[in-house]
Amino acid sequence: EPEVTQTPSHQVTQMGQEVILRCVPISNHLYFYWYRQILGQKVEFLVSFYNNEISEKSEIFDDQFSVERPDGSNFTLKIRSTKLEDSAMYFCASRGTSGGQETQYFGPGTRLLVL
Amino acid sequence: AQTVTQSQPEMSVQEAETVTLSCTYDTSESDYYLFWYKQPPSRQMILVIRQEAYKQQNATENRFSVNFQKAAKSFSLKISDSQLGDAAMYFCAYTGTASKLTFGTGTRLQVTL
Repeated sequence: EPEVTQTPSHQVTQMGQEVILRCVPISNHLYFYWYRQILGQKVEFLVSFYNNEISEKSEIFDDQFSVERPDGSNFTLKIRSTKLEDSAMYFCASRGTSGGQETQYFGPGTRLLVL
Repeated sequence: AQTVTQSQPEMSVQEAETVTLSCTYDTSESDYYLFWYKQPPSRQMILVIRQEAYKQQNATENRFSVNFQKAAKSFSLKISDSQLGDAAMYFCAYTGTASKLTFGTGTRLQVTL
């Protein structure tokens, strides 16, 4: 069964450094998302992406964040200058249609720790 | 804005018994989808079950079923014949025309012998 993949699984970085989180969505999906989950909290929407542009973003997704689909397969989230509060699990999701119902499928996540 | 509320931070069930997790939501949209996702300790988000709002029939997936009450904006998850592997965080989620998922705060389910 097709699945969403994410790399790396874990990332440790110093405050102020740039990080790029990578995702490979399911191949025939057209809608892509990033979510984050701070430890012990709920999953929060960051951004959605369709047709090579951002379709919606949350208040969390400020100028420090950017997304890109550099080729036909990868979907990346860049954090330009990481802060301690960016430490979280970051999930990529892609959306397709399964059995007539649109469903988002999640990758395994990247655990980001900012020191 | 849509909101999703899970009022049970933790629940416990004995193996082989049945448990129901509650979820309510608030929306002004008429067409939307509701989901339950399971998050085991690995923190992977696994789809458990989904329901489309216009379908009156409650969704069922093996031991998992929902009680969808559209007028009451309630979407509870019933797990029958609970197994040790069902122990996890369970998140209720909503998506409408905006397509993003809005999650509840989760219910941690413990399964005891």
